[in-house]
Amino acid sequence: NAGVTQTPKFRVLKTGQSMTLLCAQDMNHEYMYWYRQDPGMGLRLIHYSVGEGTTAKGEVPDGYNVSRLKKQNFLLGLESAAPSQTSVYFCASSQGGGSYNEQFFGPGTRLTVL
Amino acid sequence: AQSVSQHNHHVILSEAASLELGCNYSYGGTVNLFWYVQYPGQHLQLLLKYFSGDPLVKGIKGFEAEFIKSKFSFNLRKPSVQWSDTAEYFCAVRDTGRRALTFGSGTRLQVQP
Repeated sequence: NAGVTQTPKFRVLKTGQSMTLLCAQDMNHEYMYWYRQDPGMGLRLIHYSVGEGTTAKGEVPDGYNVSRLKKQNFLLGLESAAPSQTSVYFCASSQGGGSYNEQFFGPGTRLTVL
Repeated sequence: AQSVSQHNHHVILSEAASLELGCNYSYGGTVNLFWYVQYPGQHLQLLLKYFSGDPLVKGIKGFEAEFIKSKFSFNLRKPSVQWSDTAEYFCAVRDTGRRALTFGSGTRLQVQP
């Protein structure tokens, strides 16, 4: 039982390049989330999904797109990377969105945009 | 918008010292409160959570937190820290109307042997 996994662990991009971050969970969770973590700012929600085929914007969605084609996967895309997107990206999942549902986090992807 | 404040950004303690990390939130309605820990190089793990009932919550590894509604606070405590407690600690809040968590900026704890 791997929990939440993220691919890749590290990536360096040049400004304007595109990439996709993959999050996978094997817990059959309905909800999945993408956060970014920046020094002194904690984690901020980018996008989330309440089920297969659905996505919704979070606190800082600009410059990112997401897709949830399969229940176990949640992809985060950067179409044209900018230095402001240099960050550590965390994926999380939970069984539901209700108060009692703990979020489980992946190990993170460290992205640098030059 | 909901916000979470963690007043201590970097705390340095010696082993066996007592720990208290502050957390205040802005939302006035019903909230669920969490403390997460991130050990160096690892992902976030849940330390403890509060939903309702006894405002003193006990978590893993000897940590506890007290919810004081009148002060909008949820401070994390441990009577005697160990070197292995060196990590970053995040307070998070979810109001019952939202699906995701709002995190504080984190407190980096360094425990010296």
